[in-house]
Amino acid sequence: AQSVAQPEDQVNVAEGNPLTVKCTYSVSGNPYLFWYVQYPNRGLQFLLKYITGDNLVKGSYGFEAEFNKSQTSFHLKKPSALVSDSALYFCAVRESGSARQLTFGSGTQLTVLP
Amino acid sequence: DGGITQSPKYLFRKEGQNVTLSCEQNLNHDAMYWYRQDPGQGLRLIYYSQIVNDFQKGDIAEGYSVSREKKESFPLTVTSAQKNPTAFYLCASSISSPGAYNEQFFGPGTRLTVL
Repeated sequence: AQSVAQPEDQVNVAEGNPLTVKCTYSVSGNPYLFWYVQYPNRGLQFLLKYITGDNLVKGSYGFEAEFNKSQTSFHLKKPSALVSDSALYFCAVRESGSARQLTFGSGTQLTVLP
Repeated sequence: DGGITQSPKYLFRKEGQNVTLSCEQNLNHDAMYWYRQDPGQGLRLIYYSQIVNDFQKGDIAEGYSVSREKKESFPLTVTSAQKNPTAFYLCASSISSPGAYNEQFFGPGTRLTVL
């Protein structure tokens, strides 16, 4: 079985401060991990993914995420938040070699305060 | 422009009616997906198709049906058997490969409301 948890429904951060959106996962084997962002009444946009290799993954719009196998985490980070980063963020996981499709977390609403 | 289109953007249905949501892509992707999004629940997979003329049930297929007669198109029908169809519906596509690590590209969504 595979699952993903986003423990925070809401994250608030001041503009210019670093931001972190948390994600933990559970799979039997090796994970493929993804982050997506959704703006109001829009579809999801892909930000970044971890497949294998370097634990620090860099993605679109200055976002990055760190894969930590021992803690089964894949937290999304950005050094300096912008007001325009305010959106709903989804973490997703798929187990390598599994027939199961992508499993999404419940989402974290990020609000960047000016 | 390459991408995924969904229509209509807003759809209103009376109880007991079937409705069909359109999804078209020109990305030349083999795989297509339908998700349902409810507040606080993330995305749940309804149906997916990895190749033309083939599709599989996802986690919440009851009350829904699909077809995949063309590579570019993957329409979703919400039938009267779906007890709580009011939701935001998202279509996605991806390159289909044995590794299955390709990201999905999403359409803009259709918001269905049952009156």
